[in-house]
Formats: sequence, structure tokens, C-alpha cells
Amino acid sequence: GAVVSQHPSWVICKSGTSVKIECRSLDFQATTMFWYRQFPKQSLMLMATSNEGSKATYEQGVEKDKFLINHASLTLSTLTVTSAHPEDSSFYICSARDRGHVGYGYTFGSGTRLTVV
Amino acid sequence: AQKITQTQPGMFVQEKEAVTLDCTYDTSDPSYGLFWYKQPSSGEMIFLIYQGSYDQQNATEGRYSLNFQKARKSANLVISASQLGDSAMYFCAMRARRDDKIIFGKGTRLHILP
Repeated sequence: GAVVSQHPSWVICKSGTSVKIECRSLDFQATTMFWYRQFPKQSLMLMATSNEGSKATYEQGVEKDKFLINHASLTLSTLTVTSAHPEDSSFYICSARDRGHVGYGYTFGSGTRLTVV
Repeated sequence: AQKITQTQPGMFVQEKEAVTLDCTYDTSDPSYGLFWYKQPSSGEMIFLIYQGSYDQQNATEGRYSLNFQKARKSANLVISASQLGDSAMYFCAMRARRDDKIIFGKGTRLHILP
């Protein structure tokens, strides 16, 4: 089945630094990927939709300059948290759309737990 | 606007009993898809079941079935013969045809008791 690899699985960084999270579709091409954020004991909140070769579409209230998304190839999307602060600490999870799968076909990465100290 | 509502923040169920997790949705799009995902403490999102808005029959996948009542806009998940390993967070989600993104409900924490 479709596999999405997300890296790193966890990261600790100092306040003010930037962190890059990678999301790769291993056995299918994903023209569209999605980035979610999840606070403890809460739901997944969609941050942005990443489209290969074009600018990401951000949800209302998500800072574009803080959460940089790049989708340079059909198998890789990256999320960079710039100038991270403790309030950015969260669980970030990506999802890739496998268009070869009729009806559904959303595969999630295993998530990245970000802690900003 | 699309919306997913899960009204049960937590449930406790005895092992081997069946359990129903509630989900209602709202959308103006006539074509949509409904999903259920399981999220154990590790954080991974495990796909359980999918129901398309035009599917005539309720979806089933092993011990999971989706009770789809279109007129009521409900898509409840039924887990038969619950197991200890079913203890996790369960999310109902929806995708409208006009865009690809999935939105999630707030989730239900299911605890299976031995």
C-alpha cells in the first residue's frame, strides 16, 4: 500500500531557530500534500495544502511567513517552522493524496513532535 | 462551510462488546466522502473505513462498519466485538468533492475495559 515517510519523528530546538520537516511519498506520486497541526488531546487542524510546483494554500489564521511550505517534487513536501517559539511546540503531521486510489487514498505520515525550548 | 461534529469526548466500553461512535456532518456539497481514522498514543493516523456520499450500501471493513444515514447527515462508526487494542482516539473526517482537503472532528477517546 501507499507509504508516506515523515522525518524527523521528533525534534527539540532552541527558540528563534528554524526547523524543517520532510514528508515523502515512497511508492506513489503525490501532487497534493497536506500539513496538519495537533495540540495535545485535540483534533488535527489543517494548516495548508501543498501543491507540486506551485505555492501552498494556507488556511485562515495560519502565518505564511512562519510556516514555509515547499513542494518541489511529486514525492516531497517540506514544512519549515521559522523563528520557532515555545508556542509552536506541537505535533505536525502530513498527508499525501494518492490519486490512483479511487474515492479515497489519503496516507498520513507518522508525525513530527516539535518541542521548542 | 463544512463541519464535522463528534459529541462524545470519551467512552468506556467492556471488552467484546460492540461500540458505536457518533459523527454528524454538514456540507453544502452534494458529493463528499466520509472517513474514520484511529489514532493510538503513538500518534500515527490509521485509516479504518470510507463512505462515499453516493454509495448505496454502508461501508464495512472487518470489525468496522459505518452506519451512514444521509438524510440525518450522520456517519457513525460501529466496532463489533471490541478488543483491548481498540483503545485509542477516533476521528471522523470529511472531504468535499470540490477540494481535496480533509477536515476532522474533535475526536472520541475510546477506552476498552478488560
